[in-house]
Amino acid sequence: DTEVTQTPKHLVMGMTNKKSLKCEQHMGHRAMYWYKQKAKKPPELMFVYSYEKLSINESVPSRFSPECPNSSLLNLHLHALQPEDSALYLCASSQSGGAGETQYFGPGTRLLVL
Amino acid sequence: EDQVTQSPEALRLQEGESSSLNCSYTVSGLRGLFWYRQDPGKGPEFLFTLYSAGEEKEKERLKATLTKKESFLHITAPKPEDSATYLCAVQARAGNNRKLIWGLGTSLAVNP
Repeated sequence: DTEVTQTPKHLVMGMTNKKSLKCEQHMGHRAMYWYKQKAKKPPELMFVYSYEKLSINESVPSRFSPECPNSSLLNLHLHALQPEDSALYLCASSQSGGAGETQYFGPGTRLLVL
Repeated sequence: EDQVTQSPEALRLQEGESSSLNCSYTVSGLRGLFWYRQDPGKGPEFLFTLYSAGEEKEKERLKATLTKKESFLHITAPKPEDSATYLCAVQARAGNNRKLIWGLGTSLAVNP
């Protein structure tokens, strides 16, 4: 089973709202990732968790706050977003976060900030 | 600087017309090359991982090959359902080796 699930599929929020994106995997992977993807661009890495610890933050603005409650779950808390944050947000997981590992992606959450 | 270039940007084929997509890379020590397929509005779907020059992998109508400078994704007798954007990414030995370096993708359209 190589499935990563994400909820919600679509989200519309105002600039003053607080919302959360959720990701879950049942592959026993110990590394999980958040990516942001704009139209006609490749995914852009935001955060990496390895063994439930934040190991990479790609200089993401503080209005994005990741959380890894356990090795199967990953959340992205959103607050005071800007319209330019509208994008497809992707979650991925891999074995342990080492080099050369295949990352498996979820279906994404389409976010629109008004 | 580590870089991945995919060509062509877009490709239109007739059903059954075989072709190849190219992924050229310059990295300081390859740790892995990855091919993904992405449908509009969906997450990338994993296709292949290649690790060393000479390696080949196949899945249905797709075959991926790797040399020291590039990878090809060969599509044999494509069907309309093969229409998608195909993304190539690499991991390099130096620096942050968990970060994928992506190409811009090849948008493939297969006409019936």
